Amino acid sequence: GAVVSQHPSWVICKSGTSVKIECRSLDFQATTMFWYRQFPKQSLMLMATSNEGSKATYEQGVEKDKFLINHASLTLSTLTVTSAHPEDSSFYICSARFGLTPLLGQFFGPGTRLTVL
Amino acid sequence: GQNIDQPTEMTATEGAIVQINCTYQTSGFNGLFWYQQHAGEAPTFLSYNVLDGLEEKGRFSSFLSRSKGYSYLLLKELQMKDSASYLCAVSSRNQAGTALIFGKGTTLSVSS
Repeated sequence: GAVVSQHPSWVICKSGTSVKIECRSLDFQATTMFWYRQFPKQSLMLMATSNEGSKATYEQGVEKDKFLINHASLTLSTLTVTSAHPEDSSFYICSARFGLTPLLGQFFGPGTRLTVL
Repeated sequence: GQNIDQPTEMTATEGAIVQINCTYQTSGFNGLFWYQQHAGEAPTFLSYNVLDGLEEKGRFSSFLSRSKGYSYLLLKELQMKDSASYLCAVSSRNQAGTALIFGKGTTLSVSS
């Protein structure tokens, strides 16, 4: 299957700092990218959907000013957690697909574990 | 709204067969997907159903009934490496197009 990478794979930061996570589709052009968050022993919660060249669409309850998403090209999306706090500590997973539905394949990155001290 | 339910935990022994059920309520249904996830790793795709019926793929099969809002994942000839979390996900239309919405996952423990 297609490959999606994330960087960094883990990050530890101090409260109040900002953290940027990159998501890249390595061998296909991703028209749509998604950002999910997963707390321990819970499922993936969709945070936002990002279509290349347009603003991200955030799910209800997700603060768009806190979680900045940029999808500047067909192979790169970034998530910036601004002014991170300990409650933002989580596993962040991006997902990418080509096309309008997941039926052609939707692929997940390996995740980024964020720990805010 | 959307609601996806699956059992929290299941246990089974090597060589056995296990069925993981998933019920869902959603608008704009576009397909149902099953993913496997090992702790600390990304989900990996197992199968999907768009139409009613059974889809078989090696040791894994998935069934869908759209009228009942019901699906199951069947795992045969269980192996220790099948111990993982199994996520039921529904593809449904949202403001941005279509997105995969996940259930809480079923943690399967396979013992010898």
